[in-house]
Amino acid sequence: GIQVEQSPPDLILQEGANSTLRCNFSDSVNNLQWFHQNPWGQLINLFYIPSGTKQNGRLSATTVATERYSLLYISSSQTTDSGVYFCAGGLTSGSRLTFGEGTQLTVNP
Amino acid sequence: ETGVTQTPRHLVMGMTNKKSLKCEQHLGHNAMYWYKQSAKKPLELMFVYSLEERVENNSVPSRFSPECPNSSHLFLHLHTLQPEDSALYLCASSKGFYNSPLHFGNGTRLTVT
Repeated sequence: GIQVEQSPPDLILQEGANSTLRCNFSDSVNNLQWFHQNPWGQLINLFYIPSGTKQNGRLSATTVATERYSLLYISSSQTTDSGVYFCAGGLTSGSRLTFGEGTQLTVNP
Repeated sequence: ETGVTQTPRHLVMGMTNKKSLKCEQHLGHNAMYWYKQSAKKPLELMFVYSLEERVENNSVPSRFSPECPNSSHLFLHLHTLQPEDSALYLCASSKGFYNSPLHFGNGTRLTVT
């Protein structure tokens, strides 16, 4: 299976700051998703982004499949953005998703 | 009403007990999944069902037994668990089999004593 590496493992921000989270894959993926897990354990799907760029409010994501990475941008961070951000990738559409170990984000007021 | 509902939210059970976790999705999806999340570990896939048929069993011990009676419901039957099975168990669903966004439930926090 593929290897997924997320960076940084931990990130502490002041409210209002911007940040970039990165996900590297050992192989080209054809199915890439970003998730946010809040402090209560709920996992929310942020983006389904096999390639290209998508934006949703203050969040945006870019995947460059041929370069084997994806980036998640958080602008004007808020305390409610705190939690763990996971990326997950699959080699082909229909193959198992492999999750990274996550980036623990803390946004302080 | 949330798209994927899991019950119970918390469960404490002894090693000799038998219990079941329940998952229900209201999204009209065709694929359902069980994941295990242990502390300091990435999410681990346990089972996958597509159109009510098990399509993947990721080398899970037989003390975990899944059941998918229809495309909206998924169960995980537990018996003679070990303390190391304590974890957050997450159910997810997707429209297609691994080719569309995964939607997770709130999870069941399981403690085995």
